[in-house]
Amino acid sequence: SQQGEEDPQALSIQEGENATMNCSYKTSINNLQWYRQNSGRGLVHLILIRSNEREKHSGRLRVTLDTSKKSSSLLITASRAADTASYFCATDANDMRFGAGTRLTVKP
Amino acid sequence: GAGVSQSPRYKVAKRGQDVALRCDPISGHVSLFWYQQALGQGPEFLTYFQNEAQLDKSGLPSDRFFAERPEGSVSTLKIQRTQQEDSAVYLCASSLQAGGTEQYFGPGTRLTVT
Repeated sequence: SQQGEEDPQALSIQEGENATMNCSYKTSINNLQWYRQNSGRGLVHLILIRSNEREKHSGRLRVTLDTSKKSSSLLITASRAADTASYFCATDANDMRFGAGTRLTVKP
Repeated sequence: GAGVSQSPRYKVAKRGQDVALRCDPISGHVSLFWYQQALGQGPEFLTYFQNEAQLDKSGLPSDRFFAERPEGSVSTLKIQRTQQEDSAVYLCASSLQAGGTEQYFGPGTRLTVT
């Protein structure tokens, strides 16, 4: 069964705009990770945030974690057409549970 | 070095046939994971190895699914008597340490059962 649930299921924006995706999960976690999957390819790790962290940055990515609400958000700033992909959150590492993903389309 | 590789990339099997999917993890990576991804869905955890030991196989959907990693490197996922519902992309991932670290994914094997 899947643990994380991403919201929205699909998001379409113009190049240069910011994109925000949310993830909710059900049980206590040690860490939460975000992955990107381009069409027909494997997943690529983007960022990991530990349960004792509230915010983390990596380049144009900003991730927040609210363990009291069991939720996380991924913000992509100044989006590019190459950011078009599906984005997944996953909780913990062993026995990792993924959500169904957010399909992001960035229009040039 | 090379990333995680999987073979074959595509496999078509007739219902009832057995299939074997191979995963070559990144050299030196301790952990290896198998996932099943249906169209439009996120990956579903199948099983996890730490070196040659299969520590978690709770995600295997039935006893028709079997995975091994006998020497702690290459892994094989075997599906016996394939059914149409087995059609999916099977993803393999490896990570350097035993837990709590990023996973590196292979491109997947797309299995179609006809």
